[in-house]
Amino acid sequence: EVQLVESGGGLVQPGGSLRLSCAASGFTFNNYAMSWVRQAPGEGLEWVSSIIGAGSKTYYADSVKGRFTISRDNSNNTLYLQMNSLRAEDTAVYYCAKVRFPHCSTTSCYFFDSWSQGTLVTVSS
Amino acid sequence: DIQMTQSPSTLSASVGDRVTITCRASQSVSIWLAWYQQKPGKAPNLLIYKASSLDSGVPSRFSGSGSGTEFTLTITSLQPDDFATYYCQQYSSYWTFGQGTKVEIK
Repeated sequence: EVQLVESGGGLVQPGGSLRLSCAASGFTFNNYAMSWVRQAPGEGLEWVSSIIGAGSKTYYADSVKGRFTISRDNSNNTLYLQMNSLRAEDTAVYYCAKVRFPHCSTTSCYFFDSWSQGTLVTVSS
Repeated sequence: DIQMTQSPSTLSASVGDRVTITCRASQSVSIWLAWYQQKPGKAPNLLIYKASSLDSGVPSRFSGSGSGTEFTLTITSLQPDDFATYYCQQYSSYWTFGQGTKVEIK
């Protein structure tokens, strides 16, 4: 059974930093691209960042480019999101998500069949 | 960036009703479109990918159609478990979601 377990959310002041972790199990982690998707309170879903299985290519939404860094440790089956220079508008539940099929070689297969439970990041003074 | 627009934003329906949700893209996404169901406080659940392919374990009352810029999600006979918010997502050029359609009890 696929499991994605997040940790690292919480309250942080504007301008601060936070690192989210997502521990994966139940599948061959390095075969799958992974992503972060967020949802502001009462709002819809927003794609944040993605990383290919090997970890050598990353993608970012314009809203977080230059401030967030996605990475993965395939030896420990863990996905990360380092969030710096946080703003109030980054307040959201953050989900990590696994793409449906392994060995995605193009971005036209990045839809998500497994999601973490979500962790709330609150940016406020 | 490709924008995704869903309609309606809210839909009131009864158990047994046929329900249709529309998703429009600001430019062609071919068939690279997925649909998700989300219940309050829970993560989204994949229903359909590649516009019309039903994901494993998803009831057959759900179906998707369309290509290019216009897509629909249809629930043929609404069940109590189907009251939720539905999102479309394009994955043709980067990834964007629609704003969601809430299906509520009439």
